Amino acid sequence: NAGVTQTPKFQVLKTGQSMTLQCAQDMNHEYMSWYRQDPGMGLRLIHYSVGAGITDQGEVPNGYNVSRSTTEDFPLRLLSAAPSQTSVYFCASSYLPQSYGYTFGSGTRLTVV
Amino acid sequence: SQQGEEDPQALSIQEGENATMNCSYKTSINNLQWYRQNSGRGLVHLILIRSNEREKHSGRLRVTLDTSKKSSSLLITASRAADTASYFCAPGPPGGTSYGKLTFGQGTILTVHP
Repeated sequence: NAGVTQTPKFQVLKTGQSMTLQCAQDMNHEYMSWYRQDPGMGLRLIHYSVGAGITDQGEVPNGYNVSRSTTEDFPLRLLSAAPSQTSVYFCASSYLPQSYGYTFGSGTRLTVV
Repeated sequence: SQQGEEDPQALSIQEGENATMNCSYKTSINNLQWYRQNSGRGLVHLILIRSNEREKHSGRLRVTLDTSKKSSSLLITASRAADTASYFCAPGPPGGTSYGKLTFGQGTILTVHP
């Protein structure tokens, strides 16, 4: 089915470990974004991309890296996990955000202990 | 910041009643989007209204936009228990690569009682 696929759905990390959250879309969308959602905080933008090879920082980029080598994939890397990064992470993509809005993935629930 | 602020934070109504949620923002926009999030799920795009539009309808949804007051409202008519969810507004940045920098507020939690 077409859409935004996030893997894994759940992950537990120890403090200091690194990992990559995967995001893939098969809709040929140029725009992709990563958000984190914490209780009572709404969604906060981490990084976004407007096309392959182009990324930029959002509201809360510290502790996260991204790259966009293909249109389809937009992985999010946690370099050294901290308990403050415990959250639900959502990836989203759009063909033309100013006209069609974003399609969201189902999320990755990350716990850092 | 382009972030929108939703009001009220929580809304509780009976099935069949109308639900109105408001959104305020601070800077100029290209458009304003509304999303729904059911518990534990990703957001679902509901409706987008452009800055040169004042009102837009989609099924039981009615969105208004007042750029002079930097505010928008989402009306859900004849609500159903299935409308129980969190609703978020997202002011669309004015242009260029900033189109990709969509930010959200904390949302309105709507509970519709059967």
